[in-house]
Amino acid sequence: ETGVTQSPTHLIKTRGQQVTLRCSSQSGHNTVSWYQQALGQGPQFIFQYYREEENGRGNFPPRFSGLQFPNYSSELNVNALELDDSALYLCASSLGTGTSTDTQYFGPGTRLTVL
Amino acid sequence: AQSVTQLGSHVSVSEGALVLLRCNYSSSVPPYLFWYVQYPNQGLQLLLKYTSAATLVKGINGFEAEFKKSETSFHLTKPSAHMSDAAEYFCAVSRTSFQKLVFGTGTRLLVSP
Repeated sequence: ETGVTQSPTHLIKTRGQQVTLRCSSQSGHNTVSWYQQALGQGPQFIFQYYREEENGRGNFPPRFSGLQFPNYSSELNVNALELDDSALYLCASSLGTGTSTDTQYFGPGTRLTVL
Repeated sequence: AQSVTQLGSHVSVSEGALVLLRCNYSSSVPPYLFWYVQYPNQGLQLLLKYTSAATLVKGINGFEAEFKKSETSFHLTKPSAHMSDAAEYFCAVSRTSFQKLVFGTGTRLLVSP
């Protein structure tokens, strides 16, 4: 059983660019949640996808968008990058029902630096 | 809105000493509470969770936490610290099981020999 994987590990972009981060969920999981962890802070919920539909969103602007694919892997897209988007982006997969989920298993994260 | 407050951004203990990491929560509904650990350059690992069953919750690696509604607290303890416990610890709350986790700012545990 493979765990949650994320790619790339590190990424450097400049302001105004767009970025796509990828997450492969753990086998058997149907729910993926994305979190942003700024340096020295706790993770903040961006959104959650359940069976390819957005299933809850945190306080992030629309330039943060996502997708979940039929195999339950997921992408996080960020448009018009800003310096404050520099952070560790964590993906977590779980087995859920849409209104609740079991344990969220986190990937190692993608470190995004915006210059 | 739900929130958690972790008192102390850094806690230092000696190996073999008691570990106590503090977490207070705010929730308008009965909360689900969690403790996660993050080692350098790694993701988060669940230590334990409270889901309205027993108030004393035992987790992995010898950690446990007690839910105290009257004090709105969910402090994490371990009787004897080990060097391998050095890491960042996050308390989190949610309205339902694992939906939209709201994390605290974290406490870095330092263990000295």
